Amino acid sequence: QVQLQESGPGLVKPSQTLSLTCTVSGGSISSGSYYWSWIRQPAGKGLEWIGRIYTSGSTNYNPSLKSRVTISVDTSKNQFSLKLSSVTAADTAVYYCARAAEGYCSSTSCRIPYYYYYMDVWGKGTTVTVSS
Amino acid sequence: QPVLTQSSSASASLGSSVKLTCTLSSGHSSYIIAWHQQQPGKAPRYLMKLEGSGSYNKGSGVPDRFSGSSSGADRYLTISNLQSEDEADYYCETWDSNTQVFGGGTKLTVL
Repeated sequence: QVQLQESGPGLVKPSQTLSLTCTVSGGSISSGSYYWSWIRQPAGKGLEWIGRIYTSGSTNYNPSLKSRVTISVDTSKNQFSLKLSSVTAADTAVYYCARAAEGYCSSTSCRIPYYYYYMDVWGKGTTVTVSS
Repeated sequence: QPVLTQSSSASASLGSSVKLTCTLSSGHSSYIIAWHQQQPGKAPRYLMKLEGSGSYNKGSGVPDRFSGSSSGADRYLTISNLQSEDEADYYCETWDSNTQVFGGGTKLTVL
């Protein structure tokens, strides 16, 4: 089955750019209707969605982070990446990559039919600390 | 954009059942959600997706003890025959307007 593994520096200095990569194994990043996502979790707190990318390169970002986030994909390496610029201590967290599967809610179940997405595979996470 | 509201904590005895609630904000009561389990020190794990009708689809390997149900804007996760390994944080999640949204999570303690 598909597995995800995050990698990257565990320590980043304030004002610098955090860079992480997620490697997908057990399947092609290009197969199926999946978006590839980043989520983070500060110690003792809840989950915060950062953004996602489709293999076409189409992206969506959390509005609160949009100005600092770039997510990219490299289908030849079966990887996708996160860059978060101008980091501060508030960006210290465990960063997870995840696969977002697509579903469709028809008019028989939903007032207005729509496509929805949900995380169905998670990486193990990597801790990033922002400190000088 | 929907808001997902969860109680911060819940507790139940070993071998008993517990029902966790995720409430969708006004105007989003028909939305589909997903439930995730996060055991201490581990990554989240997908449990199931749950429709407003109460129909649910579980992830691979999720025990039969886990089930879902719905009523109006409320989405429920029921865990039967509680085991010690069920002690974890449980998060609900939904999607709207190109944004993924998570609830604040419920910390479940198994007594």
